[in-house]
Amino acid sequence: EVQLLESGGGLVQPGGSLRLSCAASGFTFSSYAMSWVRQAPGKGLEWVSVISGSGGSTNYADSVKGRFTISRDNSKNTLFLQMNSLRAEDTAVYYCAKVGAAGTNKWLDSWGQGTLVTVSS
Amino acid sequence: SYELTQPPSVSVSPGQTASITCSGDKLGNRYASWYQQRPGQSPVLVISQDTKRPSGIPERFSGSNSGNTATLTISGTQAMDEADYYCQAWDSSTAVFGGGTKLTVL
Repeated sequence: EVQLLESGGGLVQPGGSLRLSCAASGFTFSSYAMSWVRQAPGKGLEWVSVISGSGGSTNYADSVKGRFTISRDNSKNTLFLQMNSLRAEDTAVYYCAKVGAAGTNKWLDSWGQGTLVTVSS
Repeated sequence: SYELTQPPSVSVSPGQTASITCSGDKLGNRYASWYQQRPGQSPVLVISQDTKRPSGIPERFSGSNSGNTATLTISGTQAMDEADYYCQAWDSSTAVFGGGTKLTVL
C-alpha cells in the first residue's frame, strides 16, 4: 500500500523559510515522479511543482518559481520542498502526490494527508 | 497559460446521474484526470487518462473527453458521492487544475 506522510508545516513570518518533507513507502520511490500540490483555506487545488524519479528534472508553477525548490533523496524515500521568501498567499495545506504515468500521460494517483503552512506575522 | 473551467456547483438527486464538465482549449487532445475530495480529506483519484478507473473506485464513476470538454459522470449517485471534484490536465510539464465543482446530493 502506498503511503505518503508530509511533515514540516507550521507558522512562519512573511519573508521566512520552511522545508517540507514527504516520507514515502509501499512503492519503488525512485521509479516515480513526485509532485507538490497546495490548497489555500476554502479554495481549490493548485499545482506547485514536480520532480522526475531521478531528480534530474524539475518544474514549477509560475507563482513559486524562484522561491521554492523541489528535491528528493531516493536513498531515504523522501521528497522535499524548500520554501523561501514566503508570502501570505502561500498559506495553504501542502500535499505530496505520487505521479502515475503511461508514456507521456500522467496523473496523481496517491496523495498524502497534507501539512498546513501558515504565513503570518 | 492553459486554463480549465468547471461549474462551481452541481446538484443531483440520489440514484440519478450527475455530470460534471471541464472545459479547456482542445482539451480532447490531452488526457484528463478527475479527483474527488470529501470535506476534511485529501483528494482521491477517481478517473485517469480520460476514462480509466483506479482499483477501488466504483463502476458508477466514468469519464469521457472530446473536443474542448471532459466530463465526469456518476451514475446512480449516492449520498457518499457528495464532495468537491477537480479535473486536471498537463500542459507540457506543468499540471493544471480546474477550479473545482461542489457536488450536492439532495
